[in-house]
Amino acid sequence: EPEVTQTPSHQVTQMGQEVILRCVPISNHLYFYWYRQILGQKVEFLVSFYNNEISEKSEIFDDQFSVERPDGSNFTLKIRSTKLEDSAMYFCASSALIVNTEAFFGQGTRLTVV
Amino acid sequence: GDSVTQMEGPVTLSEEACLTINCTYTATGYPSLFWYVQYPGEGLQLLLKATKADDKGSNKGFEATYRKETTSFHLEKGSVQVSDSAVYFCALSASKKVELVFGKGTKLTVNP
Repeated sequence: EPEVTQTPSHQVTQMGQEVILRCVPISNHLYFYWYRQILGQKVEFLVSFYNNEISEKSEIFDDQFSVERPDGSNFTLKIRSTKLEDSAMYFCASSALIVNTEAFFGQGTRLTVV
Repeated sequence: GDSVTQMEGPVTLSEEACLTINCTYTATGYPSLFWYVQYPGEGLQLLLKATKADDKGSNKGFEATYRKETTSFHLEKGSVQVSDSAVYFCALSASKKVELVFGKGTKLTVNP
């Protein structure tokens, strides 16, 4: 069964460092997303990506964040200068269609900023 | 704005007990409603969905009915199994919007 894969499963980084979280979406999907869940809080939408550009982003997704699809398979989330409050579980997702459709999620990357 | 409220956990049940996890929502227009499940060490998986009022989503013995009059989408199962132990997330997708809006999640533990 096709699945979304994320690497690494856990990343520890020092405050101020740049991190790149990686995702391989399902191969025939066209829409890609990042969500995050701070411990004990809700899963929050960060950004959606379609046709090599951001289609929507939330208020959380400020200039510190960027996304990229560097090749035909990977989808990355970069945090330029991490802050303690960026510590969270980050989920990548992909879908074949955009509206009212099933999004397939990866297992998440737990980011810990120290 | 759009929001989802689901019952706080954790919920602990014995095998074969009945399960209800409450979920209510606030949204403009006519959202689609979802239940996602996260088993230990895995990603979020779609459990069931409903796209219009009075629709019932069902999967793996779980059911939820889209109730517009009460803005609810409660998850139910008549007889839970140990393998149902997981975190359950209620979510909505508002009309013409990309993002899923999630509740906080409810952790279910089923004991043998």
